[in-house]
Amino acid sequence: NAGVMQNPRHLVRRRGQEARLRCSPMKGHSHVYWYRQLPEEGLKFMVYLQKENIIDESGMPKERFSAEFPKEGPSILRIQQVVRGDSAAYFCASSPPVAGDHNEQFFGPGTRLTVL
Amino acid sequence: AQSVAQPEDQVNVAEGNPLTVKCTYSVSGNPYLFWYVQYPNRGLQFLLKYITGDNLVKGSYGFEAEFNKSQTSFHLKKPSALVSDSALYFCAVRDSGAGSYQLTFGKGTKLSVIP
Repeated sequence: NAGVMQNPRHLVRRRGQEARLRCSPMKGHSHVYWYRQLPEEGLKFMVYLQKENIIDESGMPKERFSAEFPKEGPSILRIQQVVRGDSAAYFCASSPPVAGDHNEQFFGPGTRLTVL
Repeated sequence: AQSVAQPEDQVNVAEGNPLTVKCTYSVSGNPYLFWYVQYPNRGLQFLLKYITGDNLVKGSYGFEAEFNKSQTSFHLKKPSALVSDSALYFCAVRDSGAGSYQLTFGKGTKLSVIP
């Protein structure tokens, strides 16, 4: 059973460009979470999605950031008009849709975004 | 609001000695508590969790953690450290209340096990 997959692993963008980060959850998982890790910081929650639904986006910046998890295909975190402050590691996690809400989240290897 | 504090940025311990990585938390309801480990340039790996029941939780790689409700702590422990345990450790909490799905992480503690 493959783990959570993220691509690309490293992404370099110039200021003003768009960044698209992809996440494929573990097989059988339908809950996806995105976190951002700044240097020397812990992970900060951004958004929680289920298939075709955004459940909680309380951690998402109000502008330039969006996320989706379509019926088919990976979850996408999209950052428009990137700025240097967007440079960070972005981690995706997934969990299964079983009863009980205490399931641990399984993390992908992350995408390291560098904005020049 | 929920929060996690890891008071030590770094912990150094000699190989073979017991190790403790400290974590305290704050939630309005009952906590779900987790420990994750991160190796350089890698994602987080789940170590263990406390949901309910026995306060002493055993996890992967010989790690365990003790939930202490009165002290709102969930310290990570291992009886005998290995050099390969050197990594960044994160404590995380979720409020067990309905709709609280996001994990809140501490800033992490860098563990260095010295041969």
